[in-house]
Amino acid sequence: ELKVEQNPLFLSMQEGKNYTIYCNYSTTSDRLYWYRQDPGKSLESLFVLLSNGAVKQEGRLMASLDTKARLSTLHITAAVHDLSATYFCAVDIFGNEKLTFGTGTRLTIIP
Amino acid sequence: DVKVTQSSRYLVKRTGEKVFLECVQDMDHENMFWYRQDPGLGLRLIYFSYDVKMKEKGDIPEGYSVSREKKERFSLILESASTNQTSMYLCASSHLGSGRSDTQYFGPGTRLTVL
Repeated sequence: ELKVEQNPLFLSMQEGKNYTIYCNYSTTSDRLYWYRQDPGKSLESLFVLLSNGAVKQEGRLMASLDTKARLSTLHITAAVHDLSATYFCAVDIFGNEKLTFGTGTRLTIIP
Repeated sequence: DVKVTQSSRYLVKRTGEKVFLECVQDMDHENMFWYRQDPGLGLRLIYFSYDVKMKEKGDIPEGYSVSREKKERFSLILESASTNQTSMYLCASSHLGSGRSDTQYFGPGTRLTVL
């Protein structure tokens, strides 16, 4: 059974600081997705990572994928308040777009 | 702009009622999905569909059924609602695979309460 684990589950950080969210998964996959969810809202796609070593960046967020370690990271640089949200990673192990989601990391940026 | 819509944002039903949740997408996507989201559990896949009249079970299909009569519409049915089906339900759609890197696009969600 595929398991997708994120850590930390909760993260409070000060504005201007850097931090990393980790996503570990238990079965080989080279397709990983990151989503953002604001309170009371739906999920918004952030990144799609499709191969080992893939790295994507958008603003203060950067995501990477290491398929050998079964690990993806979401790095936040110089955090700002509007990055406060819950972040989910999701893995597609069969390439059939059936995603297994992590439990999410609730990020709060403190001024 | 891509769009996935769901028929209700909030719904309150009684135990034993038959409940229909509707989802419509305007992106001509082949794939459609129904998830439920519960605190501490993330999103869990209930059912998905690759094409009209096709359906496949996800990880937690018990107590649910689905219908896809048209490409743009995917319905989730709770035949006899129970209190443990109180949850946030999210619909999503995407293009069929074949190496495409398209992500799933999500609707706004329906918060269902079963009393």
